[in-house]
Amino acid sequence: EIVMTQSPLSLPVTPGEPASISCRSSESLLHRNGNNYLDWYLQKPGQSPQLLIYMGSNRASGVPDRFSGSGSGTDFTLKITRVEAEDVGVYYCMQAQQLITFGQGTRLEIK
Amino acid sequence: QVTLRESGPALVKPTQTLTLTCTFSGFSLTTPAMRMSWIRQPPGKALEWLARIDWDDQKFYSRSLKTRLTISKDTSKNQVVLTMTNLAPMDTATYYCARGYDSGQFDSWGRGTLVTVSS
Repeated sequence: EIVMTQSPLSLPVTPGEPASISCRSSESLLHRNGNNYLDWYLQKPGQSPQLLIYMGSNRASGVPDRFSGSGSGTDFTLKITRVEAEDVGVYYCMQAQQLITFGQGTRLEIK
Repeated sequence: QVTLRESGPALVKPTQTLTLTCTFSGFSLTTPAMRMSWIRQPPGKALEWLARIDWDDQKFYSRSLKTRLTISKDTSKNQVVLTMTNLAPMDTATYYCARGYDSGQFDSWGRGTLVTVSS
């Protein structure tokens, strides 16, 4: 089973400041088709998870452009250029290269 | 508009079998590359993927729970059903169904249903 490790697990951020979350996989997520099977989700308080980024770097429909995903193979990063109050919640990375596994989650809070 | 809704018992006794139904609309599970998964989340904990069924009826299960899970679909009713046997208190969680694609991502999720396992 592919293990996903996120850091940090807690991320206090001042509004307007940038934020970055790292996700590492125990095996490469780079498919032979050239795509990385790595997604990012945000679970806002009391809500279901929502898709932010798919295949490593593609923003989902309706996701603000302050969110971006990068990385390849085993190392991935989610960046928020300027954090807003509505970005509070738990961020999960998820691999779909071999079945599905999620990271432990990173809780973003506003300072 | 895509919608998904989970339904099932809120309370289950230990050793019993849980049956959850996901009723969806706005798309068809007969569409090539379409997939449906079940994912759960114990209170205060991370997401855990459980099972997946594809448009062509291929089925996949979490390695750790494989012996306890069965996933099926009824395309005429737009439903996906998950059964889990031999429930234990550690199975207490919110259970979500989600729509997926062959590129992996889940673009639509239900609101989830909380299942508590207790005697």
